[in-house]
Amino acid sequence: AQKITQTQPGMFVQEKEAVTLDCTYDTSDQSYGLFWYKQPSSGEMIFLIYQGSYDEQNATEGRYSLNFQKARKSANLVISASQLGDSAMYFCAMRETYSGAGSYQLTFGKGTKLSVIP
Amino acid sequence: DGGITQSPKYLFRKEGQNVTLSCEQNLNHDAMYWYRQDPGQGLRLIYYSQIVNDFQKGDIAEGYSVSREKKESFPLTVTSAQKNPTAFYLCASSARQDRPYNEQFFGPGTRLTVL
Repeated sequence: AQKITQTQPGMFVQEKEAVTLDCTYDTSDQSYGLFWYKQPSSGEMIFLIYQGSYDEQNATEGRYSLNFQKARKSANLVISASQLGDSAMYFCAMRETYSGAGSYQLTFGKGTKLSVIP
Repeated sequence: DGGITQSPKYLFRKEGQNVTLSCEQNLNHDAMYWYRQDPGQGLRLIYYSQIVNDFQKGDIAEGYSVSREKKESFPLTVTSAQKNPTAFYLCASSARQDRPYNEQFFGPGTRLTVL
């Protein structure tokens, strides 16, 4: 079973509008972390936002916020006021405290390609 | 400026040849990682190292080898045993912290094409 599921292969959003990118996860750990990364066409992975499983507040970083629903095991990324530079691939990732290949492994979803329309 | 460098950016290889991808970091991180990215597949872990002279296999280690002789360097060799090596390879590093928040910093990647 996939540990990270991103069900939207591609999304379109009008410039200046908000967009939500979905991410659901599967873990039996109580302590885990959820990350979102942005990958522009250049290929480099850029860290956007982090949510810990024990964090009571939803994480926010500028125009990025994470809609964390622990009971539903979802960690959706919300981008407000979209800009043309937001066009990129977006990956959700999880770090479990005890993962099979070592406790420092990040497990990534397959990503969502976001296109911002002028 | 601190960061991770990968070289070369593009690499072409003939079938049957071994090739080594470079990864260097000056972030003073103990842990380093190699990922492979294929279209539509996301990132998959090849190898990781938590400390010098130690490394562990990830999910797709077959056909790859690594070394970690220095803290700053974690080269990846793609051997002729790797059946489908054409892919985008990303190197990352992080502090060695046993807690959920453990941001990984990524290099710019190397795109390997087998001719």
